[in-house]
Amino acid sequence: DTAVSQTPKYLVTQMGNDKSIKCEQNLGHDTMYWYKQDSKKFLKIMFSYNNKELIINETVPNRFSPKSPDKAHLNLHINSLELGDSAVYFCASSPTQGGEKLFFGSGTQLSVL
Amino acid sequence: KQEVTQIPAALSVPEGENLVLNCSFTDSAIYNLQWFRQDPGKGLTSLLLIQSSQREQTSGRLNASLDKSSGRSTLYIAASQPGDSATYLCAVGGGADGLTFGKGTHLIIQP
Repeated sequence: DTAVSQTPKYLVTQMGNDKSIKCEQNLGHDTMYWYKQDSKKFLKIMFSYNNKELIINETVPNRFSPKSPDKAHLNLHINSLELGDSAVYFCASSPTQGGEKLFFGSGTQLSVL
Repeated sequence: KQEVTQIPAALSVPEGENLVLNCSFTDSAIYNLQWFRQDPGKGLTSLLLIQSSQREQTSGRLNASLDKSSGRSTLYIAASQPGDSATYLCAVGGGADGLTFGKGTHLIIQP
């Protein structure tokens, strides 16, 4: 059983389109995150949710909108995709927001043409 | 703002050698420090987690130390194997603020 699963694994799309990435964790964790890894492999946090409530919203364009229907799911919707959005997006979860180990999904490689 | 630096950026050593990867961070107000491994095209795997009150953690051939006052951590890998080849990432913070990552050390173990 995959602990943190993301779909799709690869996403190729045209500039201006709207797309979503889904994430689910079956670990019973309260806290979920979205991270972005750019072309230089630098990982940076985008959002964190605790029990469906938004905790962190880093300086991310408002074209990115996370949605957490329940604490096991944190989806990422991106409007009006731009070339600079091309990156690998990782979902992660942790038991609480208290500083435990993070568990990462395998990533979604987004390519905007 | 927290900044995490990892040295070296890349390292290539023969199989069997012991090696040390370094991590430094600017803000000592952290919940924990974590070392991750990333294989090409894969997600991150957590290797070791050191809480801010701890000095070190060990798992098999891996040992990580934390000196919070000086803002430093090391990851020691004993008797390296080709399967250890990967990118090793250091991350600090934890809690609701999430983790701040370094840029990683790309490690190659030559058979």
